[in-house]
Amino acid sequence: EPEVTQTPSHQVTQMGQEVILRCVPISNHLYFYWYRQILGQKVEFLVSFYNNEISEKSEIFDDQFSVERPDGSNFTLKIRSTKLEDSAMYFCASGGEGSEQYFGPGTRLTVT
Amino acid sequence: AQSVAQPEDQVNVAEGNPLTVKCTYSVSGNPYLFWYVQYPNRGLQFLLKYITGDNLVKGSYGFEAEFNKSQTSFHLKKPSALVSDSALYFCAVRGNTGRRALTFGSGTRLQVQP
Repeated sequence: EPEVTQTPSHQVTQMGQEVILRCVPISNHLYFYWYRQILGQKVEFLVSFYNNEISEKSEIFDDQFSVERPDGSNFTLKIRSTKLEDSAMYFCASGGEGSEQYFGPGTRLTVT
Repeated sequence: AQSVAQPEDQVNVAEGNPLTVKCTYSVSGNPYLFWYVQYPNRGLQFLLKYITGDNLVKGSYGFEAEFNKSQTSFHLKKPSALVSDSALYFCAVRGNTGRRALTFGSGTRLQVQP
């Protein structure tokens, strides 16, 4: 059964450093998403991407964040200059024409 | 703004007994409602959805959910719980407009005792 994959599973970085989180969505899906879950809190929407552009973004998704689909298979989230409060589990999701979204296993980002 | 409430942090049930995990929602327009399950160190796994039609929807692993428009609820149910159902369950909602972003509840931990 096809699934969303994410790398790395755990990323440790120092405050102020740039990180790139990578995702491979399900191959025939058209919609791509990033969510995050700070420890002990709700899963929060960050951004959605469709037709090679951002279709929605939340207040969290400020200028420090960017997304890209560089090669038709990968979908990346870049955080330009990480802050302590960016520490969270980051989930990638993808969806087809149906309404449900399929989530990857997540990348745990720890900013020290 | 859309929102989801899961009033119980944890639900405990004995194996073989029926289970219910509660969810209420608020959204503009008609809701699209979802249940996801999260096992330790795993991502969110889609269980079932309600878009339109029959108020009782069936999903994976014997789970079902009942949509109640007047009570704005979408409770998850299973007639007979298994120990392996123990996990974290999330309810999510979006509206039926072009926006696809999901709003999640805070999650309910289901503990099924043998």
